[in-house]
Amino acid sequence: NAGVTQTPKFQVLKTGQSMTLQCAQDMNHEYMSWYRQDPGMGLRLIHYSVGAGITDQGEVPNGYNVSRSTTEDFPLRLLSAAPSQTSVYFCASSPGTGLRNTEAFFGQGTRLTVV
Amino acid sequence: KQEVTQIPAALSVPEGENLVLNCSFTDSAIYNLQWFRQDPGKGLTSLLLIQSSQREQTSGRLNASLDKSSGRSTLYIAASQPGDSATYLCAVKTFSGNQFYFGTGTSLTVIP
Repeated sequence: NAGVTQTPKFQVLKTGQSMTLQCAQDMNHEYMSWYRQDPGMGLRLIHYSVGAGITDQGEVPNGYNVSRSTTEDFPLRLLSAAPSQTSVYFCASSPGTGLRNTEAFFGQGTRLTVV
Repeated sequence: KQEVTQIPAALSVPEGENLVLNCSFTDSAIYNLQWFRQDPGKGLTSLLLIQSSQREQTSGRLNASLDKSSGRSTLYIAASQPGDSATYLCAVKTFSGNQFYFGTGTSLTVIP
């Protein structure tokens, strides 16, 4: 029962570096999303996808790119890391093409520090 | 934009006590509300999902209620245990947009 798997669990980047956070789910869910969690602000949506080949922006998309080539994988790319992107990143998935009446499942998170 | 507030931000109770966590939201046009538990350094674990047409959901010692008209939900934990110590988050899914809106959570400590 892997569920939603995120890698890496921890990462330290230098300002200006790029990297990709990986997210994979084995539940055949159509909907996947990325959130960031910052102290005192709750989780905020970065990008989401309602199926392979379809992505859209969330509340805080600047500085991040996504793609969805398969149902299982939804990587998040940081183009040029900035200290403001220091956060904990969560990937989530849900059956169906939206979160309307279905339960969301979250990964264990990636703790990113940009120095 | 949907605003979700959780009060209190932190709560400390002795073991065995019954307790209530509160969640309020500004837009009552929601599809559902979900309560999560988050342990330090860990991901979110779903506890209960309440559909917009439902008033409450129960799972073991947990009971969540939903009052859409007043924009409120409560999570009731019966006979609290030290293992219940964690941060509890509520999230709502509204008709507009395709995301959950999260509160900032209530950090619960159950003292043995």
